[in-house]
This record gives sequence, C-alpha cells and structure tokens, in this order.
Amino acid sequence: EVQLVESGGVVVQPGGSLRLSCAASGFTFNDYAMHWVRQAPGKGLEWVSLISWDGAGTYYADSVKGRFTISRDNRKNSLYLQMNSLTTEDTALYYCAKASGRISGYYFDSWGQGTLVTVSS
Amino acid sequence: EIVLTQSPGTLSLSPGERATLSCRASQSVSSSYLAWYQQKPGQAPRLLIYGASSRATGIPDRFSGSGSGTDFTLTISRLEPEDFAVYYCQQYGSSPRKFTFGPGTKVDIK
Repeated sequence: EVQLVESGGVVVQPGGSLRLSCAASGFTFNDYAMHWVRQAPGKGLEWVSLISWDGAGTYYADSVKGRFTISRDNRKNSLYLQMNSLTTEDTALYYCAKASGRISGYYFDSWGQGTLVTVSS
Repeated sequence: EIVLTQSPGTLSLSPGERATLSCRASQSVSSSYLAWYQQKPGQAPRLLIYGASSRATGIPDRFSGSGSGTDFTLTISRLEPEDFAVYYCQQYGSSPRKFTFGPGTKVDIK
C-alpha cells in the first residue's frame, strides 16, 4: 500500500523560509515522479511543483517559481520542498502526491494527508 | 494556458439519484490528460478517473467518465451516502509542463 507522510508545516512569518518533507513507502520510489499540490483554506487544489524520478527535471507553477525548490533523495525515499520568501498567499495545506509516471505522468494516483503551512505575522 | 471550468458549482441531490458533473476546457485537451478526483471534508483527494474514462483501482463502477475535446463529464449512476463530496477535474499540459485543476463541484445532500 502506498503511504505518503508529509511533515514540516508550521506557522512562519512573511518573508520567512520553510522546508517540507514527504516520506514515501509501499512502492518503488525511484520509479516515479513526485509532486507537491496545495490547498488554501476553504479553496480548491493548486499544483505547485513536479520532480522527475531522477531529480533531473523540475517544474513549478508560476506562483512559486523562483521561490520554491523541489528535490528528492531516492536513498531515503523522501521528497522535499524548500519554500523561501513566503507570503500570506502561500498559506495552505501542502500535499505530497505520487505521479503516474517516471517523468511526470498525467495525473496524481496517491496522496498524503498534507501538512499545514501558515504564513502570518 | 488551459483553464478548466466546472459546473454546476453545487449539485444538491438525494441518495439513489444520478449525478452528472461537467468539466469544460478553454482549449482542446487530450483525453489521456484528463482526470477526476473526489475530496471529502478533512481528507486528501482521491483519484477516481484517469484518461477521461478509466476508473482508478478500487473505484466502484457507479462512477464513470466520458467526453473528449473540451467537454468532459463525470457521472455517478446512483449516489451512495459516501459519495457526497467535492469533485475536481484536472488536466495535464505538456508545453509548458504543468497541471491544472478545475474549481470543483460540490455534491451535497438535498
């Protein structure tokens, strides 16, 4: 059974930084691309970032480009999201999601339960 | 950039009724690139349909997807109590590589 467990969400001040982590199990982690998807309180889903199976390809939503960095450690079956220059607009529940393919796939076939990031002074 | 529009925003139905949810794209989308998710309060989204019409593992056959081009539909043939939730469509764009969700349709109990 696929398990994705996010961590690292806290309350942070505007302009601050944060690193989220996602621990993966139940599948061959280095066979799949991985994503971060976020959901602001009471709002819909927003794709944030994608990393290919080997980390060679990374892609970002325009809203986070230049501020967020996605990475992975296949030895540790872990996915990360480094978040810099945070604004109140980044307040959301951040989900780790497994891609349906090695490079990107076309959809998200498993999701974690999310970790909450609150940007507030 | 492709924009997805979902209608209606809210669908009020009774258990046992048929639900028809619409997802419209601003430009033609390959059927392979269209998926549907269900999200219940306090839970993560769950993949229902991929490739516009293929059910994900473990999804009951009362859920079906159809459509092509710019118009896609998720149908729940007979609503069960556990089906009352928010449903999102999602498309994949290859150039540039990005993923877009629709705003969601809430199916609630009438």
